Amino acid sequence: GAVVSQHPSRVICKSGTSVKIECRSLDFQATTMFWYRQFPKQSLMLMATSNEGSKATYEQGVEKDKFLINHASLTLSTLTVTSAHPEDSSFYICSASLVDREQFFGPGTRLTVL
Amino acid sequence: GEDVEQSLFLSVREGDSSVINCTYTDSSSTYLYWYKQEPGAGLQLLTYIFSNMDMKQDQRLTVLLNKKDKHLSLRIADTQTGDSAIYFCAESGRSSNTGKLIFGQGTTLQVKP
Repeated sequence: GAVVSQHPSRVICKSGTSVKIECRSLDFQATTMFWYRQFPKQSLMLMATSNEGSKATYEQGVEKDKFLINHASLTLSTLTVTSAHPEDSSFYICSASLVDREQFFGPGTRLTVL
Repeated sequence: GEDVEQSLFLSVREGDSSVINCTYTDSSSTYLYWYKQEPGAGLQLLTYIFSNMDMKQDQRLTVLLNKKDKHLSLRIADTQTGDSAIYFCAESGRSSNTGKLIFGQGTTLQVKP
């Protein structure tokens, strides 16, 4: 089956620093990658949709200058949380899909901002 | 707007059947999905159903879709302790061609031995 990896799996950083999370599709080329955020005991909230080589489409209420998304290739997308603050602490999950196919989810990245 | 609702918690005994329910609002959804999330992990697709189907069975899993009532259910037969997890239903929503998914809040399934 299709495998999506995320790195790092867990990160702790100081307030004000920037953190980059990588999402890779390991055995397929993903036309679209999605970034979700999940608070404890809550559902996944879509943050943005990214297509390779084009700008990401952000959901309403998500600051694009705060959450920078780069989709440099068909197998890699990165999410950078800039000037992170404690309220950015969350579980970030990416997914990757082929056109009209199911989404394959990564294992998630736990971000803790001190 | 698009919305998906689930009950938050279900507890069953090992060997019993579990039924997890979900309601959705967008009648134009092409696909409806069930995902499983174990603690600290990402989501695993369990099964999905096309909106023009009423039922889909896959081993211990049975999905029922009542399109008129916009109600989706997941039945797990012979529930095992390894089935303990959070189960999310999701719909593809109006923008089904973008792949965007709308998730419910998740139902925590607790299986007691």
